[in-house]
Amino acid sequence: DIQMTQSPSTLSASVGDRLTITCRASQSINNWLAWYQQKPGKPPKVLIYKASSLESGVPSRFSGSGSGTEFTLTISSLQPDDFATYYCQEYNSYWTFGQGTKVEIK
Amino acid sequence: QVRLVESGGGVVQPGRSLRLSCAASGFTSSSYAMHWVRQAPGKGLQWVALISSDARNKYYADSVKGRFTISRDNSKNTLYLQMNSLTIEDTAVYYCAREGHATQPHPFDIWGLGTVLTVSS
Repeated sequence: DIQMTQSPSTLSASVGDRLTITCRASQSINNWLAWYQQKPGKPPKVLIYKASSLESGVPSRFSGSGSGTEFTLTISSLQPDDFATYYCQEYNSYWTFGQGTKVEIK
Repeated sequence: QVRLVESGGGVVQPGRSLRLSCAASGFTSSSYAMHWVRQAPGKGLQWVALISSDARNKYYADSVKGRFTISRDNSKNTLYLQMNSLTIEDTAVYYCAREGHATQPHPFDIWGLGTVLTVSS
């Protein structure tokens, strides 16, 4: 089975900061990699698909990059609405999620 | 309006069974693969099961294989998850989710609000 490892687990940041979250797959996932945002008590919302494609309606401050086994989610200028938990997910094999990265207010 | 609404959660004792439902509206659900995903209290997301659009293909996480059964009734636009031999570790919010493209791999673009299952004696 493919394992997805995110880092860091928690990230303290301020409004306006540039953030990067990393996700590593235990084997190649052919760029079938998505990023989700989840707020407390809500379902996840997809932000990025195919590693770098922005889902419709998602602000352009979110971007994804990477290939093979290493991927990143970048928020170019953190906004108040962005404090949430972020998950990566591979959908090359069994839709495995990373363990999550909580972005909290510094 | 594209929507998924889960139901059927509750409190059950270990070893008992429960069936969850997920009603789809606002889109042709029979065109899409559908998934169940769960989230234990304070924990991350765990994929549970997939059913293809035509119900021919079903896949399960190892943790539920042999105990859970995913099914769908396309005439009713409804997805199901039959859960047997429940354990405390199955306690979670259960979400149904749509795989967001009918013909190529895509992540989950539509999610329900979830239904809560608590397994407790």
